[in-house]
Amino acid sequence: QKEVEQDPGPLSVPEGAIVSLNCTYSNSAFQYFMWYRQYSRKGPELLMYTYSSGNKEDGRFTAQVDKSSKYISLFIRDSQPSDSATYLCAMKNTGGFKTIFGAGTRLFVKA
Amino acid sequence: EAGVTQFPSHSVIEKGQTVTLRCDPISGHDNLYWYRRVMGKEIKFLLHFVKESKQDESGMPNNRFLAERTGGTYSTLKVQPAELEDSGVYFCASSQKQGGQETQYFGPGTRLLVL
Repeated sequence: QKEVEQDPGPLSVPEGAIVSLNCTYSNSAFQYFMWYRQYSRKGPELLMYTYSSGNKEDGRFTAQVDKSSKYISLFIRDSQPSDSATYLCAMKNTGGFKTIFGAGTRLFVKA
Repeated sequence: EAGVTQFPSHSVIEKGQTVTLRCDPISGHDNLYWYRRVMGKEIKFLLHFVKESKQDESGMPNNRFLAERTGGTYSTLKVQPAELEDSGVYFCASSQKQGGQETQYFGPGTRLLVL
């Protein structure tokens, strides 16, 4: 069983839709939870960083962590064609250096 | 400020040959990471340098892979001899702060194809 599970999609939505991306994990030691965005032929770029449980909002993006369910989410409001990319969840232990990635979800936002 | 750069962007080699990938981190970043993404799979950690020292190399697949970081600046990842299963995208990332809430900045990756 993988430590981090993420549906690879693809997920296709119309412009302006609310997008929900999710990951589940099995390692209860994970404390740091990240979402990366990766455009084609580029490296991943950090979007959101959350420590332990709770919500974090940044503009149109909201990250949620539910440690009791081992489930994390990223919501994108008012999605734009420029949001079309692969979104990767990632996590690591407290004091750990090794980041564990999900497989990534491919998102297409249609104009 | 220049980001993380990687060279070459693409490499096509035959099985049994040697390939060396290079990563130049952001200036002043002590932490340097190598990751690999094999087609259809997730990005996987290979190793972590703090300055010139290897902090964690538990993700290195086998002894055909050798990473170095000369003087704590740029890093090289050598694959010798290359096998078909080594094909994939190799990413380098660097960061200032170690562990915890650190921001890792990724390079564009080197796409390696072993024929």
